[in-house]
Amino acid sequence: DQQVKQNSPSLSVQEGRISILNCDYTNSMFDYFLWYKKYPAEGPTFLISISSIKDKNEDGRFTVFLNKSAKHLSLHIVPSQPGDSAVYFCASWGYQKVTFGTGTKLQVIP
Amino acid sequence: DVKVTQSSRYLVKRTGEKVFLECVQDMDHENMFWYRQDPGLGLRLIYFSYDVKMKEKGDIPEGYSVSREKKERFSLILESASTNQTSMYLCATGTGDWHEQYFGPGTRLTVT
Repeated sequence: DQQVKQNSPSLSVQEGRISILNCDYTNSMFDYFLWYKKYPAEGPTFLISISSIKDKNEDGRFTVFLNKSAKHLSLHIVPSQPGDSAVYFCASWGYQKVTFGTGTKLQVIP
Repeated sequence: DVKVTQSSRYLVKRTGEKVFLECVQDMDHENMFWYRQDPGLGLRLIYFSYDVKMKEKGDIPEGYSVSREKKERFSLILESASTNQTSMYLCATGTGDWHEQYFGPGTRLTVT
């Protein structure tokens, strides 16, 4: 049973435009949500997180939005850059473990 | 910067072989984790450890065991490798709150 879902396996965006990556979860008891970025042949790197008591967290070009009633979070990248091309995993933390989604491959086209 | 190293980037083993994957971290983190990454399935937690000689099962521990004799080192053991264990294996470390984990570069294991 996939508790964290990323329904879009891939996304293509023009350079300079906004990238929106989406994630849905099923367990309302998760405490934190995180986004990781993964380049080929490298391990994932932490990008940004949000506590379940907040609805928005911003870090430079990256903003994460949390809609608890819809059990949905999204990552906005503005403006998108070619170096942002990677696989993005959303993850939830709760019950003493992190649960990862299946990933969305973002391609930013120059 | 946190450095997490894994013993091999690529590994090819035969069915039935015993396989050791080793992970070493240099940041004195309490927690260490082993994941596997498969297409369409994301990262799935195999085992984790929150202290030396302590281990806990993750979501998919079957066919695996782990060892943590020193704080900086966490080993994943495939007792008898099978073809369905062909995967990318990722080690990670973290501090007490677990919110942010630091990953190694991964080991791509192929079992033939």
